[in-house]
Amino acid sequence: AQKVTQAQTEISVVEKEDVTLDCVYETRDTTYYLFWYKQPPSGELVFLIRRNSFDEQNEISGRYSWNFQKSTSSFNFTITASQVVDSAVYFCALSEVSAGFKTIFGAGTRLFVKA
Amino acid sequence: GAGVSQSPSNKVTEKGKDVELRCDPISGHTALYWYRQSLGQGLEFLIYFQGNSAPDKSGLPSDRFSAERTGGSVSTLTIQRTQQEDSAVYLCASSIGTSGRSNEQFFGPGTRLTVL
Repeated sequence: AQKVTQAQTEISVVEKEDVTLDCVYETRDTTYYLFWYKQPPSGELVFLIRRNSFDEQNEISGRYSWNFQKSTSSFNFTITASQVVDSAVYFCALSEVSAGFKTIFGAGTRLFVKA
Repeated sequence: GAGVSQSPSNKVTEKGKDVELRCDPISGHTALYWYRQSLGQGLEFLIYFQGNSAPDKSGLPSDRFSAERTGGSVSTLTIQRTQQEDSAVYLCASSIGTSGRSNEQFFGPGTRLTVL
C-alpha cells in the first residue's frame, strides 16, 4: 500500500536560513511518481515538482532543491535562503502506476519564515 | 477561466441536508480528482475519474458520498444526509491525463463546507 510520511508538522525559521522538509514514502511499485505541492495561506495548492522512480537525479530550481534517494525511500525538499513568502504548508505526494495514478498526500509540513 | 473552478466557494448547511459541490476542470484535462481537507490537516483522497474508465471510489468515506462526471468534464460531488464531521474544505483537481509526464495536478480554490 502507498504511504507518505512527513514527520515534521511545523518548522519555524528566520529569514535567510536554509530549511529541509522531509518526506518518506512506502510503495511496492517499481514505477511511481513523487510530487511536492505548496499551499500558501491563500489556500490554493500549487504544483512544485514531479519526479519519476527511474530518475534519481537531484534537481535545483532557484532557491529550491530536491533530493530523491530510493535507497532510503526519501524525497526531501530544501529551501535555501528562505524568505517570508515561503511561508506555507508543503505537501509531499506519491502516485503509483499500479494504482492508476491515484495520488496519496502526506499530512503536510507547515513552514513559518519569520522576518 | 484557465484554471480549475469550484462552486460554491462556501456552503453552510444543516445536519441531515444534502449538498452538491461542483468542479469545472481545465479544458482538455481528462483526469479529475476530489480531495477533502479538514482544518489543519492533509489531503484525504476521495475519488478520481480518468476519461471513460470507471472511477476509483476507494477513498469515499461512506455511502453518503457520491460523485459523477458528466460528459468527461464537469463533476459534482454529492453528500447526502450531511453530518458535522463532513465539515471540511473539498478540493478538486484536474490533470491532462494519467500517462507519462502529464499527471501533475492543478487544484481549484476549494469549497468550504460547514455543517451546523
